[in-house]
Amino acid sequence: DGGITQSPKYLFRKEGQNVTLSCEQNLNHDAMYWYRQDPGQGLRLIYYSQIVNDFQKGDIAEGYSVSREKKESFPLTVTSAQKNPTAFYLCASSKGEDGYTFGSGTRLTVV
Amino acid sequence: RKEVEQDPGPFNVPEGATVAFNCTYSNSASQSFFWYRQDCRKEPKLLMSVYSSGNEDGRFTAQLNRASQYISLLIRDSKLSDSATYLCAPRGRGSTLGRLYFGRGTQLTVWP
Repeated sequence: DGGITQSPKYLFRKEGQNVTLSCEQNLNHDAMYWYRQDPGQGLRLIYYSQIVNDFQKGDIAEGYSVSREKKESFPLTVTSAQKNPTAFYLCASSKGEDGYTFGSGTRLTVV
Repeated sequence: RKEVEQDPGPFNVPEGATVAFNCTYSNSASQSFFWYRQDCRKEPKLLMSVYSSGNEDGRFTAQLNRASQYISLLIRDSKLSDSATYLCAPRGRGSTLGRLYFGRGTQLTVWP
């Protein structure tokens, strides 16, 4: 079955460390997105990509980086410049005018 | 003004009740709209897509009012399993084509 897979499910980061969250989809979707959700908050867009080798900053891109070298993959790196990275990270993909399909998320905690 | 605004609730209703949520949006050019449900500590899941004036799927009805720039979700005959947070998401147009703007969500609890 087609779907969107995020890994790992839980991730612990030490202060000053960079970590990379994986997002892979086999839905043949062109666009992919990264959102962050904090407790009691809405979804905030970090980065998005509408085609391979192209991506745009969302509303809260500072301290994050992405790449889109393959259609299926859109990894997110949380750098040490992100001062408050503890959150629930959601990856999504879409095609045309359809709605998003979300992955099951990664919970990142700073220890 | 925020792109999307929703009443955060919580809405607490008994089983079998009818409940409605409203969502207002600021981009008058938005052409498509989506309702998602999100269970606690889970990812949002697509509940309904709206491309014209509305959509109906079983107990769920979405209605779009373009003049007033709001979209509503009506749930009839509420079930315990309907307890979740409901997110409204209009699609951007122009330079933000393709991007969905999410509201903070409306929390619903259905009690027995």
